[in-house]
Amino acid sequence: KQEVTQIPAALSVPEGENLVLNCSFTDSAIYNLQWFRQDPGKGLTSLLLIQSSQREQTSGRLNASLDKSSGRSTLYIAASQPGDSATYLCAVRDNYGQNFVFGPGTRLSVLP
Amino acid sequence: DAGITQSPRYKITETGRQVTLMCHQTWSHSYMFWYRQDLGHGLRLIYYSAAADITDKGEVPDGYVVSRSKTENFPLTLESATRSQTSVYFCASSERQWGLFFGSGTQLSVL
Repeated sequence: KQEVTQIPAALSVPEGENLVLNCSFTDSAIYNLQWFRQDPGKGLTSLLLIQSSQREQTSGRLNASLDKSSGRSTLYIAASQPGDSATYLCAVRDNYGQNFVFGPGTRLSVLP
Repeated sequence: DAGITQSPRYKITETGRQVTLMCHQTWSHSYMFWYRQDLGHGLRLIYYSAAADITDKGEVPDGYVVSRSKTENFPLTLESATRSQTSVYFCASSERQWGLFFGSGTQLSVL
């Protein structure tokens, strides 16, 4: 059974710092991996999708990498801003393409 | 509006009542999902559907019923609501090679 963990559970940084969020999964037979952002009381917004054949994806200040063999993905946020404060979740899709398994999330606070 | 919409946004009900949460998507995605999100448990899959008339159980299906007679709709019914079903419910849709897209959620309180 696929299990997804995220470290750290919470992170507080001053504005302007570059930071890395980690996502680990136990079964490397994945179809793709997706990073989401969730603001309090809101739904999940997709940030980046990495297919299993890809190594990384970039969108603006965000860069996500994928190392399937080691069961890891990282989300790099450059020059963090207070507006980046949210919970970040990763999810892996199984190799049958049917189901997604979510990590518990990292709660990020960027202080002005 | 294009996208995935859930209704109602908020719902208060009493134990034992039947409640249906609606989900509608305009992309004609094959896959649709229902998740519940609770503090301490994260997002847990209730049911999913790979196509119209095809549904399958997720991690926490007990007490819930789904149907998918049309590709665009995937309602979730709580047959006899219990307090433990107080939660935020999210519907999502996807195609196999694409990512998951979420609705805004339904906050359900069972008194």
